[in-house]
Amino acid sequence: KAGVTQTPRYLIKTRGQQVTLSCSPISGHRSVSWYQQTPGQGLQFLFEYFSETQRNKGNFPGRFSGRQFSNSRSEMNVSTLELGDSALYLCASSLGQEANVLTFGAGSRLTVL
Amino acid sequence: EDQVTQSPEALRLQEGESSSLNCSYTVSGLRGLFWYRQDPGKGPEFLFTLYSAGEEKEKERLKATLTKKESFLHITAPKPEDSATYLCAVRSYTNAGKSTFGDGTTLTVKP
Repeated sequence: KAGVTQTPRYLIKTRGQQVTLSCSPISGHRSVSWYQQTPGQGLQFLFEYFSETQRNKGNFPGRFSGRQFSNSRSEMNVSTLELGDSALYLCASSLGQEANVLTFGAGSRLTVL
Repeated sequence: EDQVTQSPEALRLQEGESSSLNCSYTVSGLRGLFWYRQDPGKGPEFLFTLYSAGEEKEKERLKATLTKKESFLHITAPKPEDSATYLCAVRSYTNAGKSTFGDGTTLTVKP
């Protein structure tokens, strides 16, 4: 059974650019959530989608956005990148609307120069 | 707002030296408390879910327990392969779809 796949695994951008990260959940999982992980802040919740609807959003500026497609695949976008956006972006999927266990991907490591 | 505090930040043990990791939480309406393990360069991996005070779960050398305010992850006779960062997270009934994570405890087990 394939796990959660995130692409790209590594990327380098410069300030002011934008980036799109992709996540393919485990087959059959309908919920996808995104987290930002940094050494200083730990794992911070970005947003969660279920059946193409955003159910919850963390305390991040509007530059951070996401969406989910009908096949449950998800993308997140960060516009006007800042140095502080350098982080590991983790995607996690889970089975159902209130299912609790998260299965994480390996993450996308973003470096902003 | 849900909050999770883990201690200690780092723990160094000799192989075979048992110890415990602490996770204190504040949540309005606990849906579940979760323990994850994260190895360098990888995403967190699920270990346990606990739902109500008094509940215990075991897996190999790990045992997780839950009270109304905290959870413990007990590690019995650890081995070097248990070295990792252990993350605690909570989900509440009032915050659908969101897991709130602690900063983790980085465990190093020396042979």
